[in-house]
Amino acid sequence: EVQLVESGGGLVQPGGSLRLSCAASGFTVSSNYMSWVRQAPGKGLEWVSVIYSGGSTYYADSVKGRFTISRHNSKNTLYLQMNSLRAEDTAVYYCARVIANDWYFDLWGRGTLVTVSS
Amino acid sequence: QSALTQPASVSGSPGQSITISCTGTSSDVGSYNLVSWYQQHPGKAPKLMIYEVSKRPSGVSNRFSGSKSGNTASLTISGLQAEDEADYYCCSYAGSSSVFGGGTKLTVL
Repeated sequence: EVQLVESGGGLVQPGGSLRLSCAASGFTVSSNYMSWVRQAPGKGLEWVSVIYSGGSTYYADSVKGRFTISRHNSKNTLYLQMNSLRAEDTAVYYCARVIANDWYFDLWGRGTLVTVSS
Repeated sequence: QSALTQPASVSGSPGQSITISCTGTSSDVGSYNLVSWYQQHPGKAPKLMIYEVSKRPSGVSNRFSGSKSGNTASLTISGLQAEDEADYYCCSYAGSSSVFGGGTKLTVL
């Protein structure tokens, strides 16, 4: 079955770090563009980051310099390393597969909740 | 990377048609035919409904259609059904990034 399963969310203090994982099955992460999209409680969707199949990475201005997207090819897993976390980073984080060139998200995980609070 | 502009809410009765607008700029919606639309029910992940402005993925009802004119894209749902009640988000390519709209809550009266 083609699916994405996120994990790693939880409660973290402001200034802390967290690493999210997104395990893929049914397709190869490294052959696809993959993204993270987040949704603050009661708010809309916000694009966070993308990694191209070739390895290039891009970030939203709101997380640039603090978040790092990466992947582990043999584990077929996508990651999001989040440092210097702020209260405004509190959200459900979704990983999604991006259809390259056409640039749409055709497959989404169920999301993992990150709460930044003291 | 400012969010695309959508109406906060729209409503319609069963069987009617509604249209949700999505206004961007010449740097996103206006420059690329790469607008997609997502449906999200409470507590669920978003679901792709329209891609490349007007294309429907397999399995999505033909009651859903999309269009674009200049910097504004639109999603039209015809023959409204109760299960269409959800939040809808537009999204546009913006040059190695994506930008979403603020979302529109559709209420089926």
